[in-house]
Amino acid sequence: GQNIDQPTEMTATEGAIVQINCTYQTSGFNGLFWYQQHAGEAPTFLSYNVLDGLEEKGRFSSFLSRSKGYSYLLLKELQMKDSASYLCAVMDSNYQLIWGAGTKLIIKP
Amino acid sequence: GAVVSQHPSWVICKSGTSVKIECRSLDFQATTMFWYRQFPKQSLMLMATSNEGSKATYEQGVEKDKFLINHASLTLSTLTVTSAHPEDSSFYICSALSGSENNEQFFGPGTRLTVL
Repeated sequence: GQNIDQPTEMTATEGAIVQINCTYQTSGFNGLFWYQQHAGEAPTFLSYNVLDGLEEKGRFSSFLSRSKGYSYLLLKELQMKDSASYLCAVMDSNYQLIWGAGTKLIIKP
Repeated sequence: GAVVSQHPSWVICKSGTSVKIECRSLDFQATTMFWYRQFPKQSLMLMATSNEGSKATYEQGVEKDKFLINHASLTLSTLTVTSAHPEDSSFYICSALSGSENNEQFFGPGTRLTVL
């Protein structure tokens, strides 16, 4: 079956760095997405990786290893507003999105 | 975790026709479901909130007469794109609230609509 795993919850300190991991087993691969979702709001697109390597975008970076079925989202210089759920989603060979359950990130002062 | 399905997975239709997309919560009851559309590498845009047994609440700029939503049961919501045009081509994603203490939101796999 198809599966996406990511931690349920993580806690980090303001100003620090946090890495949210995502592992996947899917039938085919057409890219991996990271979204940020604040409570009661629609998910916001953060990144899209389809090739191996690190994509950096400001304070956020996303890494992909297709051979390992692994990705991470790296958040630097954490701010209180980064407290949110972070969703990992993989697009399979049928261009269907397989969603992780999301990681709730709690930022403490 | 909970499962949300969508049908069809993809659909190609002619301009002017109507297309119905189904969203089902397979192992839980969902009082509230959401419909989103997504353009490539962009954020999900909330179209409407669907509540079982009542009229859907549409976001500003979304035509309720064009995007008909019916949430007839606790496990099924449908989105009908009426008189579809090429600019309606998009990826439509639904999600359902679990209604649990954590009120988790589970997303469907999406439906790719192409209007010729």
